[in-house]
Amino acid sequence: AQSVSQHNHHVILSEAASLELGCNYSYGGTVNLFWYVQYPGQHLQLLLKYFSGDPLVKGIKGFEAEFIKSKFSFNLRKPSVQWSDTAEYFCAVNAHGTYKYIFGTGTRLKVLA
Amino acid sequence: EAQVTQNPRYLITVTGKKLTVTCSQNMNHEYMSWYRQDPGLGLRQIYYSMNVEVTDKGDVPEGYKVSRKEKRNFPLILESPSPNQTSLYFCASSLSPGGAGTDTQYFGPGTRLTVL
Repeated sequence: AQSVSQHNHHVILSEAASLELGCNYSYGGTVNLFWYVQYPGQHLQLLLKYFSGDPLVKGIKGFEAEFIKSKFSFNLRKPSVQWSDTAEYFCAVNAHGTYKYIFGTGTRLKVLA
Repeated sequence: EAQVTQNPRYLITVTGKKLTVTCSQNMNHEYMSWYRQDPGLGLRQIYYSMNVEVTDKGDVPEGYKVSRKEKRNFPLILESPSPNQTSLYFCASSLSPGGAGTDTQYFGPGTRLTVL
């Protein structure tokens, strides 16, 4: 069965620090990969997604993620975080040919001003 | 404005009292889905629908029912709610079903359900 692991449950950073959030999935076939963000009191919204092609994808608000197939990973990065990046971040996987989505347990990021 | 709406936003009920949470989207999306969010467990998919009259189980379907009689609506029904269904529920929709080129899912604002 598919699963998604987000190893960092809580992360605290100071403004301007670099961010990397880990995401690993278990599935042997082709997958679509997503990072969603949930700001306090708001809907989940898409940060970025990977379907195929260049494994380095860029999303909104300066976020990027790299798909490393050999490591089954899709880590989220941002070179310099801002206080407004305080939120919960979810990695999600959808296997090609299926309609199911598997989400990770989420990482709560707190950025100190 | 393109959006997914859910009602009610907050609901407190008692064990065994049937309830329905509505979900509606105005984007003509084919795919709709329900999730529950619990602390430490992230989002878990309850049911999804690929199109009108086509639904299937997600990872945690027990205790829930859905229907998709119209493209825009995808209600979640709890026939006999229990305290372990206390959770934050999200509805989502996307233009096309899963597979290569899967579209972005748009999420509703959430429904916080408490079952006493």
